[in-house]
Amino acid sequence: NAGVTQTPKFRVLKTGQSMTLLCAQDMNHEYMYWYRQDPGMGLRLIHYSVGEGTTAKGEVPDGYNVSRLKKQNFLLGLESAAPSQTSVYFCASSYAGSNQPQHFGDGTRLSIL
Amino acid sequence: SQQGEEDPQALSIQEGENATMNCSYKTSINNLQWYRQNSGRGLVHLILIRSNEREKHSGRLRVTLDTSKKSSSLLITASRAADTASYFCATVSNDMRFGAGTRLTVKP
Repeated sequence: NAGVTQTPKFRVLKTGQSMTLLCAQDMNHEYMYWYRQDPGMGLRLIHYSVGEGTTAKGEVPDGYNVSRLKKQNFLLGLESAAPSQTSVYFCASSYAGSNQPQHFGDGTRLSIL
Repeated sequence: SQQGEEDPQALSIQEGENATMNCSYKTSINNLQWYRQNSGRGLVHLILIRSNEREKHSGRLRVTLDTSKKSSSLLITASRAADTASYFCATVSNDMRFGAGTRLTVKP
């Protein structure tokens, strides 16, 4: 039982390049989330999904897109990477909404040069 | 923007001592959650306390919530070196907002 798995674990991009981060969960959770973690800032919500085929904006959605084509997968895309998007990205899932604990992956460390 | 703010930002204690971390917030909440993050890893859920609860226990962890003061505390008793990690509070109202965390170091 893997829980929440994020791919890749590390990536270095050049400004303007695009990439997709993959999150997979095997707990049959309805809700999935993408956060970014920056030093001294805590976690900030980028986008979230309340079920297959749905997505919604979080606190800091600009420059990112997401898709939830399958219940177990939640993809985060950067269309044109910028140095300000250098961060550690975490995916999480929960059985229901914010009144339930969230289960986190181990993160993707992304550097934009 | 953050909702919860942890205090202190960093805490260093000896093994066997108790560690207390505080979280203050500004608006009304449905519940408050505490998470632990080991270096290089994701967050792990510790305890959820609802707005109508005042205290919860889980093993060596004790969480209190004072909604009148808009504050919560996490107490770790008889700390171990393995408790070294960052601890985050997350407040839940319309959404979940995380604080910047307390970095706890437990020296063996």
